[in-house]
Amino acid sequence: DADVTQTPRNRITKTGKRIMLECSQTKGHDRMYWYRQDPGLGLRLIYYSFDVKDINKGEISDGYSVSRQAQAKFSLSLESAIPNQTALYFCATVRDGYTFGSGTRLTVV
Amino acid sequence: DAKTTQPNSMESNEEEPVHLPCNHSTISGTDYIHWYRQLPSQGPEYVIHGLTSNVNNRMASLAIAEDRKSSTLILHRATLRDAAVYYCIHDSRDSNYQLIWGAGTKLIIKP
Repeated sequence: DADVTQTPRNRITKTGKRIMLECSQTKGHDRMYWYRQDPGLGLRLIYYSFDVKDINKGEISDGYSVSRQAQAKFSLSLESAIPNQTALYFCATVRDGYTFGSGTRLTVV
Repeated sequence: DAKTTQPNSMESNEEEPVHLPCNHSTISGTDYIHWYRQLPSQGPEYVIHGLTSNVNNRMASLAIAEDRKSSTLILHRATLRDAAVYYCIHDSRDSNYQLIWGAGTKLIIKP
């Protein structure tokens, strides 16, 4: 099993729909992050969490929300998806370095 | 912002060493320098990180300038599997360990 697992791997959704991306980790790390990546660009931070009770906004949190259900689980929600949220989304855990999941490719039509 | 500057792309021949440069002039004394790489359709993968001294691991070497305002990732013998986008980042303690990612360097390996 992968250290950081993201589901789903691919998702197509309609404008206005609510969608949740899930992330779970087996590394036992406290810190977890959600990033998005647009074509040809680096990653931009959406939200991060230092533990279950500590959630922080990143650079581009508008239009997103998160839930840290347990140390191992960190979910990202798009409350009302819009086309410019079409992107590749990555979850990561951190201790000395980042461990990333394989990503979720989200398309909003 | 903890920003870095890297060339957009570089080319190298297979089996030759590759030196990937990075400028990080805004780095502060406690920030670590990280290198990640991203293969097509995959998440970024940790390569190496360091603070002041040069570092070596099984994947690469990291040479850090004495003033820490630049660093170089060294792949000793590039293979086709090393073709990826390489990101140089430093984590700013001032921004709660948020890594600010640039566009990286696309490394092209020629057979």
